[in-house]
Amino acid sequence: DVKVTQSSRYLVKRTGEKVFLECVQDMDHENMFWYRQDPGLGLRLIYFSYDVKMKEKGDIPEGYSVSREKKERFSLILESASTNQTSMYLCASRIGGRGRDQPQHFGDGTRLSIL
Amino acid sequence: KQEVTQIPAALSVPEGENLVLNCSFTDSAIYNLQWFRQDPGKGLTSLLLIQSSQREQTSGRLNASLDKSSGRSTLYIAASQPGDSATYLCAVMNSGYSTLTFGKGTMLLVSP
Repeated sequence: DVKVTQSSRYLVKRTGEKVFLECVQDMDHENMFWYRQDPGLGLRLIYFSYDVKMKEKGDIPEGYSVSREKKERFSLILESASTNQTSMYLCASRIGGRGRDQPQHFGDGTRLSIL
Repeated sequence: KQEVTQIPAALSVPEGENLVLNCSFTDSAIYNLQWFRQDPGKGLTSLLLIQSSQREQTSGRLNASLDKSSGRSTLYIAASQPGDSATYLCAVMNSGYSTLTFGKGTMLLVSP
C-alpha cells in the first residue's frame, strides 16, 4: 500500500514565523500535491509538482512556496505565517506518466494553527 | 472554470438503507471522476475512479455512475452500515490537466 506521511498531525505557530510542512511518500511517485481544507470552502490546491525540482502553482499559491529536492519529499513553506493560513493541510501523491488513470493517495493531514 | 457541486451537504439515515449521493460538474470535458471518503480529522481515501469513457464502477457495496454529457455522477451505497459514516467527496480531473477539482462533500451519518 502507498503510504504518504506528513511530519506533524498538529502544529501551532506564531504570526510572522516561517513554517515548514513536510510530506514523504514511499512509492516512488512522480506527482505530489499540497491542498488546504477549510469548512465551507472544501479542498483547494496550493501547489503541485510533476517531478523533482519541478513545481506548478495551484489555485491559491499566494503566501506559500514549495520545495522538491528529492522525489519522495515535498515541502510546503509558509514564508511569513498569518492567521488566515490556519487550516488543515493535506499532501497527496500519484504515479506520473499515465498516472491520470490512477487515484491520488493522501496523508492524514496537518492541522496548523497560527496565533 | 470547473465547478463541482455535491447534494445533499449532509444526510442521516438508519442502518440498512440504500442511499444515493449526488455530484454535478459544470464542464463536461473531464478525463475522469473520483469518489473519496474522509473520516473526521483524517486524509482522503480513494473509493472509486471512473474514466470518462466508462459509465460505472463497482466496489463491494459501492456503485458509482457517470453521465458525462449531463455533468452528473452518483454514488450508490447499498445496505448502509454505521461504519459508512464519513464525508464523501467527489472530484473531477479536467482534460489536459492532471489536477483535481473537488466538491465540498456530503457528510453521511448512519445510525444503528
